[in-house]
Amino acid sequence: DIQLTQSPSFLSASVGDRVTITCRASRGISGSLVWYQQKPGKAPQVLIYAASTLQSGVPSRFGGSGSGTEFTLTISSLQPEDFATYYCQQATGYPITFGQGTRLEIK
Amino acid sequence: EVHLVESGGGLVPPGGSLRLSCAVSGFTFSDHYMNWVRQAPGKGLEWVGRSRNKDNSYSTEYAASVKGRFTISRDESKNSLYLQMNNLKTEDTAVYYCTRGYRSGGHDMEDYWGQGSLVTVSS
Repeated sequence: DIQLTQSPSFLSASVGDRVTITCRASRGISGSLVWYQQKPGKAPQVLIYAASTLQSGVPSRFGGSGSGTEFTLTISSLQPEDFATYYCQQATGYPITFGQGTRLEIK
Repeated sequence: EVHLVESGGGLVPPGGSLRLSCAVSGFTFSDHYMNWVRQAPGKGLEWVGRSRNKDNSYSTEYAASVKGRFTISRDESKNSLYLQMNNLKTEDTAVYYCTRGYRSGGHDMEDYWGQGSLVTVSS
């Protein structure tokens, strides 16, 4: 199985801050990585797919990069609505796996 | 507009069975892979299983934790996806999401999610 490890697991930041979340894969997955945002009581939503492609309708302050085993999600200037939990996911092989999540809270 | 609506959740004792349904609309159901993803209370996301599209004979894949106990099926005439869950365990307690798979440029994602259906396994 391909394990995905996110860091940090918890992040406290302020509105306007730039934040970066990392997702490391236990073996290479080329560029097949997806980032999701989940708010409390809601289903996750796609932010980024193919490691760096912004999903339609997602604000441009979100960006993704990486390939192989190391990937990053960057939010260039945090907005109040960005405080949520973020997950990475790979679907290169079975089982499909998710990272453990990064909870982003307001400082 | 794409919609996925789960139903069928509830309280079931350990060892019991339950069937979840996911009614879809707004897209051609047979063209898409469909998945079930679950989330235990206060925990992260766990992939449960997948039904490939019609071109791939609706073949299925499962997570090791549910293989042999859970079965995914479809009814094209009803535009519905199902998750039959047998021999339920307390660790199966979770919100179960139905998701639509979408492929763009050779890369997969779950681009639409239902609202989730809570399954509680407890005596």
